[in-house]
Amino acid sequence: EVQLVESGGGLVQPGGSLRLSCAVSGFTLSEHYIDWVRQAAGKGLEWVGRSRNKRNNYITEYAASVKGRFTLSRDDSTNSLYLQMNSLKTEDTAVYYCVTWVDGAARYWGQGTLVTVSS
Amino acid sequence: DIVMTQSPDSLAVSLGERATINCKSGQSVLSSSNRKNYLAWYQHKPGQPPKLLIYWASTRESGVPDRFSGSGSGTDFTLTISSLQAEDVAAYYCQQYYSAPCTFGQGTKLEIK
Repeated sequence: EVQLVESGGGLVQPGGSLRLSCAVSGFTLSEHYIDWVRQAAGKGLEWVGRSRNKRNNYITEYAASVKGRFTLSRDDSTNSLYLQMNSLKTEDTAVYYCVTWVDGAARYWGQGTLVTVSS
Repeated sequence: DIVMTQSPDSLAVSLGERATINCKSGQSVLSSSNRKNYLAWYQHKPGQPPKLLIYWASTRESGVPDRFSGSGSGTDFTLTISSLQAEDVAAYYCQQYYSAPCTFGQGTKLEIK
C-alpha cells in the first residue's frame, strides 16, 4: 500500500526556519516525482515545488513565491523527502501536502502537516 | 507560468441534477509528442487531502464513480458530474502538469441547492 506521511509542521516566527519531512512507503522513492502542495485557510491549492526522480537527475523546481527560500532534498535510502523552509513569512501559513506522481497522475497524497508562521 | 482559470467560483445544484465546472488554461496543455492533455481534476473536502478524479483530461481514476467525467482539449476543459449526490459537496480544482510550476485553478465550491 502506498503511503506518504508528512511531519515537522508547527508554529514558527516570521523569518524563522522549519523542515518538513515526507516519509513514503509502498513504492520506490527514487523512481518517482514528489511534489509539495499547500493550502492556506480559506484559500485554494498552491503548488509549491517538485523533486524529480533519479532518471531525471533529481532536478528540483519551485513556485516563484518560495524560490530562493525553500529547498527540496531527498534521501532515497530512508524513503524520505525534505522541504527546508527558510525566511518564513506569514503568508506561508498553510497545510502542506506531499504527493507522488505514479503513471502520469498525482494519485497519492499525504494527510498534510500544518505550518503556522506568526509572532 | 500557465494561468488556470475556473468558472464558476461557486455552484449550487439540486440533487440528481448535472453539475458542470469549466477550466481554461492560459496556453495549451496538449503535448504534440504524445497528444495528451496534461490536465487533472481533484475533489477536496475539508480535513482531507485532495482526491484525484480525472487525469489526462478525461481518464477517470480507478474507483471514482462514473458520474464524474472530464472533457476538453488544448486550453478548454470541463468536469461534469452527471447526477449530483450529497457526498459530492466539495471544492473542485483543475491542475495543469504540462510545465512547472504545475498551477491549479482557483477552485469551484460545489453545494446542494
